[in-house]
Amino acid sequence: DIQMTQSPSVLSASVGDRVTLNCKASQNINKYLNWYQQNLGEAPKLLIYNTNNLQTGIPSRFSGSGSGTDYTLTISSLQPEDVATYFCFQHNSWYTFGAGTKLELK
Amino acid sequence: QVQLKESGPGLVQPSETLSLTCTVSGFSLTSYSVSWVRQPSGKGPEWMGRMWYDGDTAYNSALKSRLSISRDTSKNQVFLKMNSLQTDDTGTYYCTRDRFRIPLDYWGQGVMVTVSS
Repeated sequence: DIQMTQSPSVLSASVGDRVTLNCKASQNINKYLNWYQQNLGEAPKLLIYNTNNLQTGIPSRFSGSGSGTDYTLTISSLQPEDVATYFCFQHNSWYTFGAGTKLELK
Repeated sequence: QVQLKESGPGLVQPSETLSLTCTVSGFSLTSYSVSWVRQPSGKGPEWMGRMWYDGDTAYNSALKSRLSISRDTSKNQVFLKMNSLQTDDTGTYYCTRDRFRIPLDYWGQGVMVTVSS
């Protein structure tokens, strides 16, 4: 099974900051990597699919990159409504989620 | 628009069977697959299994012996049954639309399931 490791587990940042969240797969996942945002008490929401494709309706301040085993979600200018937990998810071989990064305001 | 909604009991006794229903609208179960995902409180989600658009199924190997997924296309419903529940099966259970190479793009609101006597 492919394991997904997210770092950091908690990230504190200020409004307007450029924020980077990391996700590492235990083996090559061929860019089959999605990012989800989950607000407290809500279902996860798809932000980015297949490494760098923005889901419809998602603000352009969100972007994704990566290849092989290492992937990144970037928020170019943090907004208050971005406070949430973010999960990466691989669908190259079966499906596996990461444990999440909780993004807080400093 | 695409919608999914889970329904089922909020409380299940240990060792008993969980039965959940996912009712979908805005897409056809014969064109799209549906996956079930669960999430213990404060932890990452776990993929449980999938009802393929063609009626086939796929299961997480860790749950396969306890899990069954079926559907009724005439009612736009997908069903989950999992037996021998234990306390660590407590969490929120979601159904999600599962597209080829853009999986888990739409989610239901989730249903909280507590396993307790």
